[in-house]
Amino acid sequence: RKEVEQDPGPFNVPEGATVAFNCTYSNSASQSFFWYRQDCRKEPKLLMSVYSSGNEDGRFTAQLNRASQYISLLIRDSKLSDSATYLCAVNIKEGYQKVTFGTGTKLQVIP
Amino acid sequence: NAGVTQTPKFRILKIGQSMTLQCTQDMNHNYMYWYRQDPGMGLKLIYYSVGAGITDKGEVPNGYNVSRSTTEDFPLRLELAAPSQTSVYFCASSYLTAGVPGNTIYFGEGSWLTVV
Repeated sequence: RKEVEQDPGPFNVPEGATVAFNCTYSNSASQSFFWYRQDCRKEPKLLMSVYSSGNEDGRFTAQLNRASQYISLLIRDSKLSDSATYLCAVNIKEGYQKVTFGTGTKLQVIP
Repeated sequence: NAGVTQTPKFRILKIGQSMTLQCTQDMNHNYMYWYRQDPGMGLKLIYYSVGAGITDKGEVPNGYNVSRSTTEDFPLRLELAAPSQTSVYFCASSYLTAGVPGNTIYFGEGSWLTVV
């Protein structure tokens, strides 16, 4: 099993739709979780951290399911500008020094 | 505030050549990283540094070297370039150690390297 696994997509959704991605991780001891957004041929940028109780930032909601070892990202009312690749990152090894990134899920929002 | 700046943006190397990717950050971050990203693959950590004078290997360090003589600069050296090193390289930095909850890793714009 990969340390961090994501469905590569692409997820093609119409504007205004709600879409959700999951990211599974292998180490049950992982403690920190993140979603990054990466536009084509650009650098990744932090979208949001994921906290145990779940957290929301505008149209974006992140949740953690420790029992099943996955995090999720929900995007409501999709905009064309949401088209990007979404990378999850998890601290797999003990300690906080390193995070492991998933391969990303590509989202294409269609007019 | 420039953030993380890396150069060059694009480079073509011949097999066996060497080069240095430059990286500098102006956020006074102690933690700096070099990642590579291959098509369809996640970011792989090459080397990281927790402060000036301290570096350590990441997941894929073979064929690379780093140094950290100042807080601001973290150059990546490719020795004897090989086609397998064709990739996009990202330098990054953070205020806190990478995996601390709520921490942000700031990335440079990337360096596209092709080895032929």
